[in-house]
Amino acid sequence: DTGVSQNPRHKITKRGQNVTFRCDPISEHNRLYWYRQTLGQGPEFLTYFQNEAQLEKSRLLSDRFSAERPKGSFSTLEIQRTEQGDSAMYLCASSWDREGYGYTFGSGTRLTVV
Amino acid sequence: GNSVTQMEGPVTLSEEAFLTINCTYTATGYPSLFWYVQYPGEGLQLLLKATKADDKGSNKGFEATYRKETTSFHLEKGSVQVSDSAVYFCALRSYSGAGSYQLTFGKGTKLSVIP
Repeated sequence: DTGVSQNPRHKITKRGQNVTFRCDPISEHNRLYWYRQTLGQGPEFLTYFQNEAQLEKSRLLSDRFSAERPKGSFSTLEIQRTEQGDSAMYLCASSWDREGYGYTFGSGTRLTVV
Repeated sequence: GNSVTQMEGPVTLSEEAFLTINCTYTATGYPSLFWYVQYPGEGLQLLLKATKADDKGSNKGFEATYRKETTSFHLEKGSVQVSDSAVYFCALRSYSGAGSYQLTFGKGTKLSVIP
């Protein structure tokens, strides 16, 4: 078990381009979360999956954002038509328990939109 | 809505100094409270937690007590080490009502410990 893995670690993209990030959770964790952390702020909740079902989305997740978790394993987060305001660290976490005490975070993907 | 306020950083201390990082929260009900730590280049790691009033969480010499009357969860350590240099986040856990238990974080406090 190598923990929660996120790829890539860093991504620099031009404004208007699409980007996709990947998260591989701990294998026995059926719950997966995405958070976004902007500079000088704490992480903010984006979306939640239980197995392959996306059960909740934050108002922060605009129409340009889409997340999937096919087969209830890895998850992808896609941002279309990136904007400079999308520059942030995108964190993935997984947990085994409904109450969320067992959160394990990945190291994150740092996105820079130029 | 829920919110967490923690003291602004950065905080710079000498090795073996006493550490306090203040954290207060606003929430409906009685949320569980957490401290997370983020070392450079790494993900967030759970440092300690408390699930009800007057609970004391502790780990690696760090302690925090859940004070319902003051809605606070201050982090303390009696003698910091250089290896404690990191960013510390206070967080509360709440049920969204739509199926997930979410974490609401403070802005983080960067601690630097100098030899």
